[in-house]
Amino acid sequence: GQSLEQPSEVTAVEGAIVQINCTYQTSGFYGLSWYQQHDGGAPTFLSYNALDGLEETGRFSSFLSRSDSYGYLLLQELQMKDSASYFCAVRDPDSGNTGKLIFGQGTTLQVKP
Amino acid sequence: EAGVAQSPRYKIIEKRQSVAFWCNPISGHATLYWYQQILGQGPKLLIQFQNNGVVDDSQLPKDRFSAERLKGVDSTLKIQPAKLEDSAVYLCASSPHLTGELFFGEGSRLTVL
Repeated sequence: GQSLEQPSEVTAVEGAIVQINCTYQTSGFYGLSWYQQHDGGAPTFLSYNALDGLEETGRFSSFLSRSDSYGYLLLQELQMKDSASYFCAVRDPDSGNTGKLIFGQGTTLQVKP
Repeated sequence: EAGVAQSPRYKIIEKRQSVAFWCNPISGHATLYWYQQILGQGPKLLIQFQNNGVVDDSQLPKDRFSAERLKGVDSTLKIQPAKLEDSAVYLCASSPHLTGELFFGEGSRLTVL
């Protein structure tokens, strides 16, 4: 089967930088996505990496190393509003090219003043 | 652009009762997903539609769950009879195409007593 592992909780202070790691085990690979979910809210798309390297979008960056089956989400200049759960997700290779996403268990980020 | 709409936001029922959730995806999005998110876990796909056809329902407990997407637009997810372990948030998501970014609704939170 497919599995993803990410830390359950991360705490950081406002203005700092935090990195949320994700390792995956899949029989095939079509790319790694990241979603943010505030308490009681909808998951929202943050980034997608299909190739190795760093993708930057404002304060958020995402990195992928396919050879290491590893990726991370980097949040810079942390703000209180960044307190949320962050999920990594991969497309299920056993589902062909249907777009079915398998999500990790999520990392709860708490930003302190 | 209006987002994915879901109703009801909250529902409390007793075990063995039935419940139905409704989803209206973003206009023009051909792909619709129903995910189940148990507290503290990542979303898990229940069923995926492409227009009004089922693409993947491999993880849908078909003895009690059913879903339909008439006319390729709105969708309903039904649970009958409900069990205690069905307590979760039911998230609907849509995508403009099969493998694109997912746009989630805020979910329907079900509590089964």
